[in-house]
Amino acid sequence: DAGVIQSPRHEVTEMGQEVTLRCKPISGHDYLFWYRQTMMRGLELLIYFNNNVPIDDSGMPEDRFSAKMPNASFSTLKIQPSEPRDSAVYFCASSLQAQRGYEQYFGPGTRLTVT
Amino acid sequence: AQSVTQLDSQVPVFEEAPVELRCNYSSSVSVYLFWYVQYPNQGLQLLLKYLSGSTLVESINGFEAEFNKSQTSFHLRKPSVHISDTAEYFCAAAGGTSYGKLTFGQGTILTVHP
Repeated sequence: DAGVIQSPRHEVTEMGQEVTLRCKPISGHDYLFWYRQTMMRGLELLIYFNNNVPIDDSGMPEDRFSAKMPNASFSTLKIQPSEPRDSAVYFCASSLQAQRGYEQYFGPGTRLTVT
Repeated sequence: AQSVTQLDSQVPVFEEAPVELRCNYSSSVSVYLFWYVQYPNQGLQLLLKYLSGSTLVESINGFEAEFNKSQTSFHLRKPSVHISDTAEYFCAAAGGTSYGKLTFGQGTILTVHP
């Protein structure tokens, strides 16, 4: 399997613009997670899905952030409008419920810079 | 609620020296424990995991961790580190009512000096 795929790998945008990050989980996995990593706050869980249904979005910073999972092989994280403080590395991860322990597999991340 | 504490934010060591990265968790139910490693500009990779059975688990590159239920710890050790082990290490836990979610520690940056 190709692993978790994220695109783009790097995104530079201006404040106020809409940003869409994309993730393709490992085929057959039924959990999908979005994380944000910054120097100041470390690794934060933003939202996660089980069988395409959002389970916990309590980590989403504010209404400017939204995430969708229209099918089992695709998810998006959208920021509208973007702000400089959103600059971070965003990771997507997936896991398989049947795999005891819920081991997560991470994508390479999207480095977002908002100027 | 489950929590994971990594006691050291940074650990500098010299090459070929032993190292221990400390991790404590809090949970009143059975847990699954993980160590992930993140090399610079990369995503997190699973290093090793404890699900059940032997309390000592090993990775393919010489790291080991021991599950200690009485001390609620899962410390990571390596008897002799290499420059290439320089990375950030995350301890994580799942189980109980986590519903598929991992709780991560704050991370420990291991820097190996020549």
